[in-house]
Amino acid sequence: KQEVTQIPAALSVPEGENLVLNCSFTDSAIYNLQWFRQDPGKGLTSLLLIQSSQREQTSGRLNASLDKSSGRSTLYIAASQPGDSATYLCAVRRGTSGSRLTFGEGTQLTVNP
Amino acid sequence: DAGITQSPRHKVTETGTPVTLRCHQTENHRYMYWYRQDPGHGLRLIHYSYGVKDTDKGEVSDGYSVSRSKTEDFLLTLESATSSQTSVYFCAISEFQRGGDQETQYFGPGTRLLVL
Repeated sequence: KQEVTQIPAALSVPEGENLVLNCSFTDSAIYNLQWFRQDPGKGLTSLLLIQSSQREQTSGRLNASLDKSSGRSTLYIAASQPGDSATYLCAVRRGTSGSRLTFGEGTQLTVNP
Repeated sequence: DAGITQSPRHKVTETGTPVTLRCHQTENHRYMYWYRQDPGHGLRLIHYSYGVKDTDKGEVSDGYSVSRSKTEDFLLTLESATSSQTSVYFCAISEFQRGGDQETQYFGPGTRLLVL
């Protein structure tokens, strides 16, 4: 059974700092991995999708990497801002066409002005 | 937001009553999902659908049923609500790009359900 772990559970940083969020998964036979952002009381917003054949994806200040063989992904946030404060979730997909996502419990990020 | 709405957004109900949550999408997506989110468990899949009248169970389907009579609507029913079903429920769809190889899930805003 796939298990996804995100460490740390919470992180507090000063504004402007570069930071890395970690995601690890137990079964390396994944199809892709998706990073989400969740604001309090809100739904999930998709940030980045990495296919199993890719090593990284970038969107603006965000860069996600994937090392499938070691079962790890990282989300790098450059020049953090208070507006980045949210919970960040990673999820892995086992196969194609509607196979379910397995989620980690998330890292709650606070960026202090 | 991939055109996903959920209703109601908040509901309080009593143990033993049936409850139906609705997910509506406007972009003709084939795959739809219902998840629940709970502290200590993260998001877990309840049921999913791969087309009209085609549904299947997820990892926490006991006590729930679903129906999909139209592409745009996916209904989740708690047959007899229990306090353990107090949760936040999210609907999601899958969007496919690059000839179907790249599948991304998008989520609705959620429904907060309290069972007393």
